[in-house]
Amino acid sequence: DAGVIQSPRHEVTEMGQEVTLRCKPISGHNSLFWYRQTMMRGLELLIYFNNNVPIDDSGMPEDRFSAKMPNASFSTLKIQPSEPRDSAVYFCASSPKTGTFTGGGTGELFFGEGSRLTVL
Amino acid sequence: ELKVEQNPLFLSMQEGKNYTIYCNYSTTSDRLYWYRQDPGKSLESLFVLLSNGAVKQEGRLMASLDTKARLSTLHITAAVHDLSATYFCAVSGGTSYGKLTFGQGTILTVHP
Repeated sequence: DAGVIQSPRHEVTEMGQEVTLRCKPISGHNSLFWYRQTMMRGLELLIYFNNNVPIDDSGMPEDRFSAKMPNASFSTLKIQPSEPRDSAVYFCASSPKTGTFTGGGTGELFFGEGSRLTVL
Repeated sequence: ELKVEQNPLFLSMQEGKNYTIYCNYSTTSDRLYWYRQDPGKSLESLFVLLSNGAVKQEGRLMASLDTKARLSTLHITAAVHDLSATYFCAVSGGTSYGKLTFGQGTILTVHP
């Protein structure tokens, strides 16, 4: 069974360029999350979707960041224009349950391998 | 704002020794998660603790949860080199799935 698939695994770009990160969640999972990991700030939730609908984007740093989930099997995180401080590892994760815990389930997240972004 | 603090942040252990990693969190939550991350790799789920008093064990690792004290522990028994990794605890900050707040991580190094 395939896990969460992210691409690209590594991206090096120059300041000002557009960056698009891609994620394919585990089939049948209803929730998708984008996290960012840096040495300074650790793991931070950027945005999450339930049934393809963005629920909470309060963690998105600024308007340069945007995320979409056009269907249940694909999501993108876009940075335009990119800046050196955006350099980080971006993780996508999925979960088999949506909404609240009252529907059962553990709330466990399954993470992809991450996309390491370097902005020069 | 939910805060999650781990200690220690760095742990150097000898093989065969026992030690405990602590995870404190600031607001009420009944759900706590432990993850392992190897360098340059993804986060692997280790334990999901869903209620006060929950205890789970897998091999040389045992995790427990005390929701009243807002404390979880990850106990390592007779450490081996293969346990060297970064360990994160994460807490669900409400009723919504997946909105986890992570601790800073504990970098564990096990040496002979």
